Amino acid sequence: QKEVEQDPGPLSVPEGAIVSLNCTYSNSAFQYFMWYRQYSRKGPELLMYTYSSGNKEDGRFTAQVDKSSKYISLFIRDSQPSDSATYLCAMSVMGSSNTGKLIFGQGTTLQVKP
Amino acid sequence: DSGVTQTPKHLITATGQRVTLRCSPRSGDLSVYWYQQSLDQGLQFLIQYYNGEERAKGNILERFSAQQFPDLHSELNLSSLELGDSALYFCASSYSYTGGNIQYFGAGTRLSVL
Repeated sequence: QKEVEQDPGPLSVPEGAIVSLNCTYSNSAFQYFMWYRQYSRKGPELLMYTYSSGNKEDGRFTAQVDKSSKYISLFIRDSQPSDSATYLCAMSVMGSSNTGKLIFGQGTTLQVKP
Repeated sequence: DSGVTQTPKHLITATGQRVTLRCSPRSGDLSVYWYQQSLDQGLQFLIQYYNGEERAKGNILERFSAQQFPDLHSELNLSSLELGDSALYFCASSYSYTGGNIQYFGAGTRLSVL
């Protein structure tokens, strides 16, 4: 079983829809949670960054972390065709003895249709 | 633009050959990470350097090696290449080496082994 599970999709929605992307994880030591967006043939770009549990909002994007359920979500409101990309969740553990390496989910491919 | 520079963008080579991938981190960042992205495995951590020293190893094959130079740029060397080594190789950089430090990714090097 992978440490981080993410439904690869693909997910297709109409423009203006609310999109929900999710990841589950098994390692309770994860403290830092990130969402990266990756356009085709490009490098991952950081979208959202959350420490521990709670919600964080940035424009049309909201990230949620539920550590009790080992579940994280990314919501995109009023989705646009330009949001069409692969969304990767990533996590890392805390502490000076660790390396900061990121553990990624498989990525969910999203298509927003005009 | 993330500020992380990777060269070359694309490499085409034959089985059994050796190649070198280069990464220049963002100005001020001391830590460099290498990741491999393939269709079946997703983004996998390979190796991390911090200020010239190896910090952590992940799923890196013995045929692969890396180093970080005094000017902080890093090189990933892949030898005795096999067809299965065809993938996208990403470099990321962060200021420190611990969990929670935001990693910025380069545009990647696409390796095609024929």
